[in-house]
Amino acid sequence: DADVTQTPRNRITKTGKRIMLECSQTKGHDRMYWYRQDPGLGLQLIYYSFDVKDINKGEISDGYSVSRQAQAKFSLSLESAIPNQTALYFCATSDGVREYFGPGTRLTVT
Amino acid sequence: KQEVTQIPAALSVPEGENLVLNCSFTDSAIYNLQWFRQDPGKGLTSLLLIQSSQREQTSGRLNASLDKSSGRSTLYIAASQPGDSATYLCAGNSGGSNYKLTFGKGTLLTVNP
Repeated sequence: DADVTQTPRNRITKTGKRIMLECSQTKGHDRMYWYRQDPGLGLQLIYYSFDVKDINKGEISDGYSVSRQAQAKFSLSLESAIPNQTALYFCATSDGVREYFGPGTRLTVT
Repeated sequence: KQEVTQIPAALSVPEGENLVLNCSFTDSAIYNLQWFRQDPGKGLTSLLLIQSSQREQTSGRLNASLDKSSGRSTLYIAASQPGDSATYLCAGNSGGSNYKLTFGKGTLLTVNP
């Protein structure tokens, strides 16, 4: 089984809809991250969490919110999706030295 | 603020060639540097991790070096194969209580049979 899983893997939604992307990890790490990847822009950090009670904004947090439900679970929400949030979204976890990435969620907002 | 740059953006080589991918970073107080591989539409796989106290790491045909004083890292791939075709990303981590990675935009490598 994969160490980091993301659901859904693909999602098409309409402008204005609320959507949640979920991430689970079995590595037992405290640190978890959400990134988005756009063609030609690399990965940008949206939010990160160093433990269940610690959540921090990344470079591009506007329009997003997160919830750390447990050590193993970190969810990303788009309260009102807009087309420029169309991207590939990655969740990751870290032991403080190395990061482990999930397979990604391809989100399309029409 | 750490900034990471990768050159070239794309590289095409014939099979069997040795090649070097370059990564530069602005903050020399880097904690570690990782090289990742990404296949189209897929997640990232960590290839090599170089900690600040190290100068290089090797895994099979891959060798990564880190020169903090010049703000550079290189990924050397020996005897390239078509299966090496992918995007390679480097990411620097400034460590400490504010651990998070800053990524370069990647180098798209194509190895032609």
